[in-house]
Amino acid sequence: DVKVTQSSRYLVKRTGEKVFLECVQDMDHENMFWYRQDPGLGLRLIYFSYDVKMKEKGDIPEGYSVSREKKERFSLILESASTNQTSMYLCASSSSLAERGPQHFGDGTRLSIL
Amino acid sequence: GQQLNQSPQSMFIQEGEDVSMNCTSSSIFNTWLWYKQDPGEGPVLLIALYKAGELTSNGRLTAQFGITRKDSFLNISASIPSDVGIYFCAGRAGGTSYGKLTFGQGTILTVHP
Repeated sequence: DVKVTQSSRYLVKRTGEKVFLECVQDMDHENMFWYRQDPGLGLRLIYFSYDVKMKEKGDIPEGYSVSREKKERFSLILESASTNQTSMYLCASSSSLAERGPQHFGDGTRLSIL
Repeated sequence: GQQLNQSPQSMFIQEGEDVSMNCTSSSIFNTWLWYKQDPGEGPVLLIALYKAGELTSNGRLTAQFGITRKDSFLNISASIPSDVGIYFCAGRAGGTSYGKLTFGQGTILTVHP
């Protein structure tokens, strides 16, 4: 079974802090994704990566950056956290070898910015 | 960014009732996926659809890939309390998409025993 692990289930940070959310997958997947989930808005793509050191902006990249130094790890960075970034953050991965392959999700990090 | 229109936004039903939800898009998709998210967890894949007109079942769940490739529906028969959760549709366009998905807003399902 695919395992996507997010480092924290709950996180509380202060406005202006630099925040790191970590995600690790164990299936050697090429593609990794970061979403935020807000009530009534579904899942919105922040950034994704299709290879080590490669990254592409999603639909809502403003205020975020990412890092993919190793294939199994994809980090989301909030450069200067703001209260409107309080949300549930979900990481996912998928294989590029199976273009039809679904994305597999972690259990999410619920981030609160005070 | 592109969005899928998923309806209804929420449903309150009695145990044993059937449930139907759907997603529509202004664009064509090559793949439709249905996920379920239990409280406090990440979404889990329920059904994947890869061909227009395809009808696929997974236990009490049935999903269809619309002929126009712009819509999909999910039915749950004889609902039980553990069906509670948020259901998401997701579509994937063709071409070099790196596996990107577009998600619906979600349907929150509540089942009363």
